[in-house]
Formats: sequence, C-alpha cells, structure tokens
Amino acid sequence: NAGVTQTPKFQVLKTGQSMTLQCAQDMNHNSMYWYRQDPGMGLRLIYYSASEGTTDKGEVPNGYNVSRLNKREFSLRLESAAPSQTSVYFCASSELADTQYFGPGTRLTVL
Amino acid sequence: QKEVEQNSGPLSVPEGAIASLNCTYSDRGSQSFFWYRQYSGKSPELIMSIYSNGDKEDGRFTAQLNKASQYVSLLIRDSQPSDSATYLCAVTRSSNTGKLIFGQGTTLQVKP
Repeated sequence: NAGVTQTPKFQVLKTGQSMTLQCAQDMNHNSMYWYRQDPGMGLRLIYYSASEGTTDKGEVPNGYNVSRLNKREFSLRLESAAPSQTSVYFCASSELADTQYFGPGTRLTVL
Repeated sequence: QKEVEQNSGPLSVPEGAIASLNCTYSDRGSQSFFWYRQYSGKSPELIMSIYSNGDKEDGRFTAQLNKASQYVSLLIRDSQPSDSATYLCAVTRSSNTGKLIFGQGTTLQVKP
C-alpha cells in the first residue's frame, strides 16, 4: 500500500497562475484533509472532506478550492496564486477522528 | 490567544534524559488530543493519542492530559538522538470530523 500520495512534490508558480495539487489515498478512509505549513505556524487546516461528496472550510480557506473526486482522491486548487500562498501543503486521510495519515507534502513557491 | 500553544524551543536534552514537552489549549470543549512527530523535511506521523484525563504510556512515550487545567504533555524517557525532531500537539473538538487544530510545534534536540 502506498498510503497517501501527493503530486507534484515541488512547484514554482508566478503570481496569478493557477494549479491543482493532487492527493490520493489507498486506505479506504472516509475523511481527507488539506493543510498548509508555514515556518513557526504549525499546520493549518485549509479544507476537509468528512466523506465522499462533502467538503467544508477549515481555518484558512481563502484563495483555495477543493474537489472530492471520489473516495480516494481529494484535490486542492489555487485559482490565482499569490506569494502569500508559498508554503508546504500536506494532504491527510483518516477514518473519522482517528489517526490522520499524511502524504509527503508539496513544496510550493509563488514568485 | 492561540487555540493550541507550545513553546517553540529548541528544547535541548542530553542522551538518556527525560524530555518533557508541553501544550496548552483554549477550547474547553476539546475532546481528543494527539502528539505528532515531524522530522525535518518530512511529513508528520502520529506517536500518541489521548482522550481522557491521566497518563497513557506507549514504550518510551507517556502522554498526560489534564482537562481541568487544559494541559497536555508528552514525556520521552531515555531520549535518543533519533528523537530529535519537531513535536506537534493537536486537538479536536469533534469526534466526528477529525478537524485538528495544531500548535506551532516544539523542536527537540537530543545531544549524544
């Protein structure tokens, strides 16, 4: 089992460009999450999906959209990237409030 | 006031000592508490979870929860250089959604 996979691993964007971060899990978990991690800030929840077909905002949703494509996949879209969105993005999955398993992360730089 | 607060450190301890990591939270409705370990450049991994007041032990790790004081701690006995990492405290109010609120993390350095 691969666990939680994320693509791409690294990305550099120019201000105003758009991109989609992909996440997939093979653990048959219902819940999936997108976090961002900035130096000294811990992880902050952007969006989450408690089950297939549902999504909800987290702490810092502005500038992002998500799609729960099916039970396995949860994507995060930046429509118009800004330098403030430079961060490391982690996807995670869990069965309800049980252990969250994290992907390897995407390091995004917006110039 | 941050919802979950940790001392960012670094906390430096000698090999073989006990490392004590602390976390306070502001929401009295918080129900579940987690400690994640994150090595530099890697993703977080769960090392302990605790749901009720008291101590929970797992190998060299002990989590302690005091809901009245809104305080959760992690003790690492016989600290090893391989324990050097950032430790993230996380809490959730709901047992249904898994929405975690993380502290900023404490960096632990274990010196040989």
